[in-house]
Amino acid sequence: AQTVTQSQPEMSVQEAETVTLSCTYDTSESDYYLFWYKQPPSRQMILVIRQEAYKQQNATENRFSVNFQKAAKSFSLKISDSQLGDAAMYFCAYWRHTDKLIFGTGTRLQVFP
Amino acid sequence: EAQVTQNPRYLITVTGKKLTVTCSQNMNHEYMSWYRQDPGLGLRQIYYSMNVEVTDKGDVPEGYKVSRKEKRNFPLILESPSPNQTSLYFCASSFLAGDLIRDTQYFGPGTRLTVL
Repeated sequence: AQTVTQSQPEMSVQEAETVTLSCTYDTSESDYYLFWYKQPPSRQMILVIRQEAYKQQNATENRFSVNFQKAAKSFSLKISDSQLGDAAMYFCAYWRHTDKLIFGTGTRLQVFP
Repeated sequence: EAQVTQNPRYLITVTGKKLTVTCSQNMNHEYMSWYRQDPGLGLRQIYYSMNVEVTDKGDVPEGYKVSRKEKRNFPLILESPSPNQTSLYFCASSFLAGDLIRDTQYFGPGTRLTVL
């Protein structure tokens, strides 16, 4: 069965600095999607970035980028130039087409001025 | 505006009193799903549906029912709620197009349920 592991329950970063959140997953499939979702205090689930497993190029969205290592089954999120508004819970998720979306347990990110 | 809506947003009820949480999407998505979020456990899937009249169990279906009579609606039914169903519930939807952009799940605002 597929699993997603986020080994960092909490992380902190200074404003304007860079932070990396870790995510590893376990699957025997070769074609799947990976996501990072952000959950601010409002509890809304907001898509941050997404990656297709068959694409070797790492996805980027403005200050957010991923380091996707398919062989190592690793999908870390890098936040550059951190802002106070980046403070939230971040969830890594795995989805294979028509199957269920599997989430990690989340990493709480604190941003200090 | 493309969105997933849930109602109610907050609900306090008592053990055994049947309740329904509604979910509606206006994007013509085939796939809809319910999740519950509990501290330290992340989000876990309760039920999902790949189209009208097609539903299937997720990881934690016990104590819940769903129906998909129309494409846009996917209500979650708790026939006899218990305190261990106190949680934050999310509905989500997406296409089933086989491409990353269209298959990305979008979430409703969440429903905070407390069962006393």
